Amino acid sequence: DAKTTQPNSMESNEEEPVHLPCNHSTISGTDYIHWYRQLPSQGPEYVIHGLTSNVNNRMASLAIAEDRKSSTLILHRATLRDAAVYYCILRVYYGGSQGNLIFGKGTKLSVKP
Amino acid sequence: ETGVTQTPRHLVMGMTNKKSLKCEQHLGHNAMYWYKQSAKKPLELMFVYNFKEQTENNSVPSRFSPECPNSSHLFLHLHTLQPEDSALYLCASSQGRGLAPDTQYFGPGTRLTVL
Repeated sequence: DAKTTQPNSMESNEEEPVHLPCNHSTISGTDYIHWYRQLPSQGPEYVIHGLTSNVNNRMASLAIAEDRKSSTLILHRATLRDAAVYYCILRVYYGGSQGNLIFGKGTKLSVKP
Repeated sequence: ETGVTQTPRHLVMGMTNKKSLKCEQHLGHNAMYWYKQSAKKPLELMFVYNFKEQTENNSVPSRFSPECPNSSHLFLHLHTLQPEDSALYLCASSQGRGLAPDTQYFGPGTRLTVL
């Protein structure tokens, strides 16, 4: 599985945008970029995913570099409830099956009121 | 009840005990997973079941024994555990049909302490 690199921690102020970076220089053409987050005392939850184009959903936006070697998760207005560990994960899909989610250390996001 | 449930939420056991963790999903999914999360370590995938067949065993010691009787239930049988097995054990499920994003839905976990 291709690896990702994320900062260990980031801080944000409430109601300000947050940009969480992820480097994945060894990404292959069939790897999808996934983001999950884990709130304190909970299991991880899906945030967003993409392949080549930028993506938006109700939780966040995903900006993917043109060469796909990096991506950025964007929380448009951070709230205190967004304080969590954010994981950037590469995952492959093939022949009716799917690769495993391999979690790294992620980025611990703190949000200040 | 919806989503992925796990019981018990907390478990304390001695090294000679035998216990089981239970996971149930009400999402109609075909794939189920066990993960282990130790303090200050990333989540580690332990086992994967797809359509009730085990498709992944990530070099897990035999003192952990999974069972998947049907696509809605997953068990993790524990015996002769060590104190270093103390961790949060998370269950997840997904459609498992090889189509992105194949979102995994996680349960709240079982906090296991081995004395």
